[in-house]
Amino acid sequence: RKEVEQDPGPFNVPEGATVAFNCTYSNSASQSFFWYRQDCRKEPKLLMSVYSSGNEDGRFTAQLNRASQYISLLIRDSKLSDSATYLCVVIPAGGYNKLIFGAGTRLAVHP
Amino acid sequence: GAVVSQHPSWVICKSGTSVKIECRSLDFQATTMFWYRQFPKQSLMLMATSNEGSKATYEQGVEKDKFLINHASLTLSTLTVTSAHPEDSSFYICSAGMEGTGELFFGEGSRLTVL
Repeated sequence: RKEVEQDPGPFNVPEGATVAFNCTYSNSASQSFFWYRQDCRKEPKLLMSVYSSGNEDGRFTAQLNRASQYISLLIRDSKLSDSATYLCVVIPAGGYNKLIFGAGTRLAVHP
Repeated sequence: GAVVSQHPSWVICKSGTSVKIECRSLDFQATTMFWYRQFPKQSLMLMATSNEGSKATYEQGVEKDKFLINHASLTLSTLTVTSAHPEDSSFYICSAGMEGTGELFFGEGSRLTVL
């Protein structure tokens, strides 16, 4: 079983739509969680950290369920510029800055 | 903000040659840097952890004699792909974090094509 699993998509949505991505991780002792965004042929960039209490940054909301080992990202009012691959990222227990990446979920927002 | 720079951003080489990729932290010191590899439409896979002043720690399945890592200073780590073959063609990305912050920064990546 992969350490971090994501639905690969692609998700094709119209502008203004709300879209949700899911991610599961296998190591229950994992300590930190993130969503990264990667544009085609570019390096990944941090979108937001994910906290147990849930957190929001503008149109983006991240949720963590430690009991289910499940992470989600919700994007509201999708923009064309949101088109990218979204990577679920986990730092395992004791793995200082050692990021484990999911394969990514591709999002395509169309007019 | 803090920046991690990689060089070269792309390289094409003949099979059998060696290629060196540099990763620099431009305005902070990094005792630890990470090297990832990404094949098309696949996840970033951690290859190794580069430790300043000591040997790198390689992930399972990564050949340490093929992917030589040197972290001679607090701002520079290098990855050398020795005797490169077409199957080594990939996107190589380094990352480094500021000590104590948990914040991680990625280089721009280096796209290697081996003919």
